[in-house]
Amino acid sequence: EVQLLDSGGGLVQPGGSLRLSCVASGFTFSSYAMSWVRQAPGKGLEWVSAISGDGANTYNADSVKGRFTISRDNSKNTLYLRMDSLRADDTAIYYCAKTVGHDSWGLGTLVTVSS
Amino acid sequence: DIQMTQSPSSLSASVGDRVTITCRATQGISNFLVWFQQKPGKAPKSLIFAASSLHSGVPSRFSGSGSGTDFTLTISSLQPEDFATYYCQQYKSYPLTFGGGTRVEIK
Repeated sequence: EVQLLDSGGGLVQPGGSLRLSCVASGFTFSSYAMSWVRQAPGKGLEWVSAISGDGANTYNADSVKGRFTISRDNSKNTLYLRMDSLRADDTAIYYCAKTVGHDSWGLGTLVTVSS
Repeated sequence: DIQMTQSPSSLSASVGDRVTITCRATQGISNFLVWFQQKPGKAPKSLIFAASSLHSGVPSRFSGSGSGTDFTLTISSLQPEDFATYYCQQYKSYPLTFGGGTRVEIK
């Protein structure tokens, strides 16, 4: 059974940084692209970043380009999202998801950017 | 970027009704489309991939169709557990993009 355990969210001040993690199990992690998707309170889904299975290729939404960095450690079956220069409009639940078709999702981790 | 437009944004229906949700892409995406169901406070759940293929464990009352720019999600006989918000998403090209969602409410 595929399991994605995302963590690392919390309260951070504007301009601050945070690193999210997602530990995967139940599938061959290195064989699949992974994504981060977020959902602001009461809003729809927004794709944030994606990374290829070998980590060689990364893709980012314009809204986070230059501020967020996606990475992965295939030896630890773990996906990361480093978030810098956080803004109030980055406040959201962040989900990790398997493949670009997002066939499995983590439970989500809440990031709140506020002073 | 490929924009995804869902309609309606919300609908009210009764148990047993047939429900259809549409999703339109601003350019052709072949069949690189998925549908999700999300209930309040929960993560999205994938229902359909490749526009019309049902994920394992998804009830057969759900079906998807379409190719190119126009797609539909149909629930043949709405059940109480189907009241939720539904999203489409294209994975033809980056940036990956979602529709705005369709909230299915109880009439």
